[in-house]
Amino acid sequence: SYVLTQPPSVSVAPGQTARITCGGNNIGSKGVHWYQQKPGQAPLLVVYDNSDRPSGIPERFSGSNPGNTATLTISRVEAGDEADYFCHVWDESSDHVVFGGGTKLTVL
Amino acid sequence: EVQLAESGGGLGQPGGSLRLSCAASGFIFTEYEMNWVRQAPGKGLEWVAYINSRGTMVKYAESVKGRFNISRDNAQNSVSLQMNSLRAEDTALYYCAREAAVGATGFFDYWGQGALVTVSS
Repeated sequence: SYVLTQPPSVSVAPGQTARITCGGNNIGSKGVHWYQQKPGQAPLLVVYDNSDRPSGIPERFSGSNPGNTATLTISRVEAGDEADYFCHVWDESSDHVVFGGGTKLTVL
Repeated sequence: EVQLAESGGGLGQPGGSLRLSCAASGFIFTEYEMNWVRQAPGKGLEWVAYINSRGTMVKYAESVKGRFNISRDNAQNSVSLQMNSLRAEDTALYYCAREAAVGATGFFDYWGQGALVTVSS
């Protein structure tokens, strides 16, 4: 089965740039989506189809997927960005949805 | 405003059954595919089941195939998850999620607040 690998944690100081990676075999050929989940809340879509942002999501959130690693980049990080972040793809070989294990972003 | 509201969670016995429902509002329900996603306590997200807009195609994660059944009632704008042969590892917060699509890629643009299912004797 298809596996998405995320680092368990990423730490960044306020105002700096956070990069959260999502690795998978030939992931560059897939559409990658990213969700933010704060404690006690449902996940929130922040990037879809590799690099598109839903309405209402700040431009500080961006995504890329050039090869074997997709990346969610959060510029000018704020305390309110502290959350768990999950990547998501659809695996055509199994016809199943796959989530990454999640990355906890800590704002120092 | 798009709203998804889950109900029906609670305590289930191992080997028993529970049924979750998700009431949808604020959008044309018949135009969207729907999914259930769960999250065990302190763990990540796990996709559970999918149903297409007409209810004619369903898909399941291997962990629930043969035990869970997803269905929808387009007249009532609702989607359900019938959970049978419950196991302790089914304990989780179950989210109902709307699926949007760009080309061939689908993503979950709206989520409910979740229904807690606890399987224990």
